[in-house]
Formats: sequence, C-alpha cells, structure tokens
Amino acid sequence: DIQMTQSPSSLSASVGDRVTITCRASQSIGSHLNWYQLKPGKAPNLLIYGASSLQSGVPSRCSGSGSGTDFTLTISSLQPEDFATYFCQQSYSTPWTFGQGTKLEIK
Amino acid sequence: QVQLQESGPGLVKPSETLSLTCTVSGGSVSSGSHYWNWIRQPPEKGLEWIGYISYSGSTNYNPSLKSRVTISVDTSKNQFSLKLSSATAADTAVYYCATVAWAAAAGTGYYYYMDVWGKGITVTVSS
Repeated sequence: DIQMTQSPSSLSASVGDRVTITCRASQSIGSHLNWYQLKPGKAPNLLIYGASSLQSGVPSRCSGSGSGTDFTLTISSLQPEDFATYFCQQSYSTPWTFGQGTKLEIK
Repeated sequence: QVQLQESGPGLVKPSETLSLTCTVSGGSVSSGSHYWNWIRQPPEKGLEWIGYISYSGSTNYNPSLKSRVTISVDTSKNQFSLKLSSATAADTAVYYCATVAWAAAAGTGYYYYMDVWGKGITVTVSS
C-alpha cells in the first residue's frame, strides 16, 4: 500500500493568514493526489483533484501543487469557514489511501 | 447535482453483519459517470477507503477488508449498499458513501477523485 504522510497534524492560525499543508507519498504517484475538507456533522468536501485542479465551487484562495512524492495545499487569507480538518488522498493505485489529517484551528 | 444519504442501524452486535445503504438523489446509479464508493473513519483516526462498485457491477475492495466486504447496487431503488460481515469493535466508525468521478490526466490515464459525499453515519459495534 502507498503510505501518505501529512504535516503538520495540527495547525493554529488566524483569519487572514496564509497556511500550507504538506503531504508526502511513500512512492511516486505522479499527480494522482486529492485534497478534502472535513467538518463534524457535514459531508466532506473535495477541494483539489489531480494535485492542482480546483474543484468547481471551491474558493480560489485554495490551491494545490506538487507531483511525484511531495504535495502541498495552500489556503491564502484564511476565512472562518476554513477551520476544519484536511486530508490528502492518493488515487494512483488501489487500495486508495489517505493521509492522517491536519486539523486547522483558530489561534 | 447528485446527493447521497447513508442509512442503517447505528448499533451492531459483534460477529453480526454491518449493513448500510446509500440513497442517491439527483442522479442514477445506472449512469456511467460515477463509481459508487464507501469510506470510513474510526474514532480519533484517519479515513480508510473500503471499496467501490462501478456502473457495470465490477467491484474493487481494500484488501484489508476484502474477505468481509460486499458492495452492491439496487437500480430499482437507486441505492447502493455495504455489507461488512463478522463485525468487531474495530469496525466502529463513521461510514461515508461517496461518488467517484474521473478526469483525463496529462499523458495517459485518469485522475480519480471522490466528488460528492454523504454526511456520514455513525456505527458502533458493541454488545
């Protein structure tokens, strides 16, 4: 199985800050990397697919980059609704696997 | 816009079969535009992909669960289902259904991603 490692596991930031979350794959996955946002009691939300393609309806302050083994999710100018948990997921090969998550909290 | 809703018992006894249903609205389980997918999140842990079924009925399961998992589609009810046999406390989790879509990748192949999710259902395995 391909292991996905996210960092940091938690992050405190303020409204207006720029934050970056990193995801590393245990082997090269090309650009087969997706990012999701989870909030308690709500349906998870796809943010980015194919490492850098913004899902329709997702604010442009979210962006993804990377290829091979190293990827980043950047949120510029944090808004109150951005405080949530974020997961990366590889779809290069099954079993599809997720990172352990990054909890983004208000400072 | 496709919407998904999980349903099923919130409490399952150990050794019994955990059975959940995902009702699809705004789309058809018979369409070729999506695969139909299950994921779970145990308490205080990350997400685990369980498996999917395609519009043609072919399945792809996580090998860690393959011996106990069955995903099926009921086109008459526009639903797809998850059955996990011989449940144990380790199967306690929030279970999500989700659609899998794909887009052409640079070069060859496709990018697969889970574009629509249900809100999840909490299932506890306990006597």
